[in-house]
Amino acid sequence: DTEVTQTPKHLVMGMTNKKSLKCEQHMGHRAMYWYKQKAKKPPELMFVYSYEKLSINESVPSRFSPECPNSSLLNLHLHALQPEDSALYLCASSQAETSTDTQYFGPGTRLTVL
Amino acid sequence: AQKVTQAQTEISVVEKEDVTLDCVYETRDTTYYLFWYKQPPSGELVFLIRRNSFDEQNEISGRYSWNFQKSTSSFNFTITASQVVDSAVYFCALSPNDYKLSFGAGTTVTVRA
Repeated sequence: DTEVTQTPKHLVMGMTNKKSLKCEQHMGHRAMYWYKQKAKKPPELMFVYSYEKLSINESVPSRFSPECPNSSLLNLHLHALQPEDSALYLCASSQAETSTDTQYFGPGTRLTVL
Repeated sequence: AQKVTQAQTEISVVEKEDVTLDCVYETRDTTYYLFWYKQPPSGELVFLIRRNSFDEQNEISGRYSWNFQKSTSSFNFTITASQVVDSAVYFCALSPNDYKLSFGAGTTVTVRA
């Protein structure tokens, strides 16, 4: 089973709101990722968690705050976002944080910031 | 530095035609992995294939086939007898010996009935 789930599917928020995106995988994967994808562009890596610890932050603004409560769950907390943060947010997981392992992606959350 | 080039921005075909998507990559690593992903309008990136740099065998999976040529740094993807359900954006990606996937810009395939 190569399923990664994400909730919600769609989210509309104001610039002063606080919201969270959730991602879950039950494949026993130990690496999890957040990507941001703007329309007609490829995904851009934001964060990597390896064994529940943040290992990579690709210079993401602090208004995005990731959290990995356990090996199956990954959250992305959003606060004081800007309209340009509107995008598709994709979660992915892989067995480990190496290129030998395929990253499997969830369906994404379409975020609109008003 | 890693780079993946998908020169074709959009391809439009009529159902049952074959379509080939080009992917050219650049890397200084001797060990690396190449991937193809499909992204239908729903948004999910669907994994299609992974190939390591030491395995130059071509691969066929149903109507999909891949041609890896290390000499030309290309990893092309062919859909045979295309169907409307093949309409999607297809990304080629390169991963050297670390976590990071370098994606190409993507090719939008539209299959018309």
